[in-house]
Amino acid sequence: GQQVMQIPQYQHVQEGEDFTTYCNSSTTLSNIQWYKQRPGGHPVFLIQLVKSGEVKKQKRLTFQFGEAKKNSSLHITATQTTDVGTYFCAGRDSGAGSYQLTFGKGTKLSVIP
Amino acid sequence: KAGVTQTPRYLIKTRGQQVTLSCSPISGHRSVSWYQQTPGQGLQFLFEYFSETQRNKGNFPGRFSGRQFSNSRSEMNVSTLELGDSALYLCASSFNSKNEKLFFGSGTQLSVL
Repeated sequence: GQQVMQIPQYQHVQEGEDFTTYCNSSTTLSNIQWYKQRPGGHPVFLIQLVKSGEVKKQKRLTFQFGEAKKNSSLHITATQTTDVGTYFCAGRDSGAGSYQLTFGKGTKLSVIP
Repeated sequence: KAGVTQTPRYLIKTRGQQVTLSCSPISGHRSVSWYQQTPGQGLQFLFEYFSETQRNKGNFPGRFSGRQFSNSRSEMNVSTLELGDSALYLCASSFNSKNEKLFFGSGTQLSVL
């Protein structure tokens, strides 16, 4: 079945440093979504990428979808303590009739003030 | 608009017992997905229901089952509980799920003793 791998598992950064998490799928994706889960909270949707090579920005966050639609990345510029949490990518297989959203194991970000 | 509501918030059970978790989706949402979250394993897909029909099922044993009612509310049942079933069970809803973001509830924290 479809697998979504995400690295690194943990990342500790000094406040103000940049952060990147990478996501790779074993199959071609129809779209990829990113979620953020704050400590003690539940996952909250950040963004969805659909097109090959797509790049989207949300303030200090930049999301990319690979040309082959099998990989994606999230980059945070100049991290702040409010960025603390676990970031998950989640992809839907491009096969017909597939509604399942498969999540990566997440990257837990710690920001040292 | 009320969010996704999951009850109960916490549950403590003993091995061998069974448990039923409830999820009320956002009004108008017809798709409900269930995920199991454990430290280090991320979110693992259990199943997804749409209009009372199970559309997708993850790789969990038959002890895990679910259903959806005509009002889109969903229940998840775990029979013959095992220690390894201790986890946060998250429910997520969307209008149709194919290309839409998921809205997660706060989850039910299940502890099996």
